Amino acid sequence: GAVVSQHPSWVICKSGTSVKIECRSLDFQATTMFWYRQFPKQSLMLMATSNEGSKATYEQGVEKDKFLINHASLTLSTLTVTSAHPEDSSFYICSATQGWGFGIQYFGAGTRLSVL
Amino acid sequence: GQQLNQSPQSMFIQEGEDVSMNCTSSSIFNTWLWYKQDPGEGPVLLIALYKAGELTSNGRLTAQFGITRKDSFLNISASIPSDVGIYFCAGPEGGAQKLVFGQGTRLTINP
Repeated sequence: GAVVSQHPSWVICKSGTSVKIECRSLDFQATTMFWYRQFPKQSLMLMATSNEGSKATYEQGVEKDKFLINHASLTLSTLTVTSAHPEDSSFYICSATQGWGFGIQYFGAGTRLSVL
Repeated sequence: GQQLNQSPQSMFIQEGEDVSMNCTSSSIFNTWLWYKQDPGEGPVLLIALYKAGELTSNGRLTAQFGITRKDSFLNISASIPSDVGIYFCAGPEGGAQKLVFGQGTRLTINP
């Protein structure tokens, strides 16, 4: 149980275009989903926390207009990187947890974004 | 905010050796989590610890929740090639939903 699917696993796009990444909880209802960014040889950096049906809470320094997060259902959250630039190239990972308050986070396999 | 310090940052060992790594904090954590991340993948939960002094095993992996609640340890016995990867400790920040992650311990195994 507790499977989180992330799609796509790898995407290449041109500078200025937008890219959408999907995160789905396959066998549980995810009241909360998280979006992380990871640079090479570094730890995970939390970008935002997303609760179903409400606006995402962004971490300090993360541009909410650039990284649009939607959590419209208990099994799906999306991250859209708008007007992507080469500096947005990175490994993006989502996670999901059940219930409210603290819960184990189960992670997707990640999406590698390369912006040309 | 809270920080977790992992040690060592990297390890180079021979296949069959035992591995020990630890995670420390300046503040108390009520839960400790250990994840493993393979290259190009997301982290996978290995062990969750909920009580000070708790010792929990998952196959060849054993993790302990430090009695002071400010540290945790992960041991791997008789390492095999598939143990290669980055091991992260994590805990809930302020007891809330967000996780604080350590910097990771990168394990490399020489056959």
